[in-house]
Amino acid sequence: AQSVTQLDSQVPVFEEAPVELRCNYSSSVSVYLFWYVQYPNQGLQLLLKYLSGSTLVKGINGFEAEFNKSQTSFHLRKPSVHISDTAEYFCAVSRIGGYQKVTFGTGTKLQVIP
Amino acid sequence: DAGVIQSPRHEVTEMGQEVTLRCKPISGHDYLFWYRQTMMRGLELLIYFNNNVPIDDSGMPEDRFSAKMPNASFSTLKIQPSEPRDSAVYFCASSGDLAGVTTGELFFGEGSRLTVL
Repeated sequence: AQSVTQLDSQVPVFEEAPVELRCNYSSSVSVYLFWYVQYPNQGLQLLLKYLSGSTLVKGINGFEAEFNKSQTSFHLRKPSVHISDTAEYFCAVSRIGGYQKVTFGTGTKLQVIP
Repeated sequence: DAGVIQSPRHEVTEMGQEVTLRCKPISGHDYLFWYRQTMMRGLELLIYFNNNVPIDDSGMPEDRFSAKMPNASFSTLKIQPSEPRDSAVYFCASSGDLAGVTTGELFFGEGSRLTVL
């Protein structure tokens, strides 16, 4: 079984400042990794994903994440946030091979302050 | 593609009434999921289907909840009778193979917000 930990439930940050949202996972097998974003009153949408290859993954809206296998982390970063980035961000993992049941973290609410 | 389509977007009902939520997955996707989201419990997987067959319903809270997928383009989640604690946002999501590899990437609908009075 796998698990996902998002240590920060809320992250306030000033507009144009950098931000890092932390995600750590636990799994006995290799996994795929995802970040989803949920804007108010909307469903979750994929921000970026790591399947294989380069450990630095670029996603939509200027976000990127780095897969660190030794630290079992997949932190999400953006060098300069905008008001429109205010949303909840979910880290997720799925096991490689067979049916890939997706395990979600508890989410991090990013609040961008003008 | 129009994405995953859910209806209704909002439902307000009284305790004891039957509620039916509907979902149309993305064409060609062979997995369909029903999730429930609440402030207290976060995002919970209720049930998922593969090729229209229910595979794992261990997340369904109790017998009042049932889900069906009569064909590849339609699924329902039914609550009968409904209770105030069922108030939540219910999401449908679908998933399909990427070049023959199922990665687990999910495509979510916009959700159905249920309020049971």
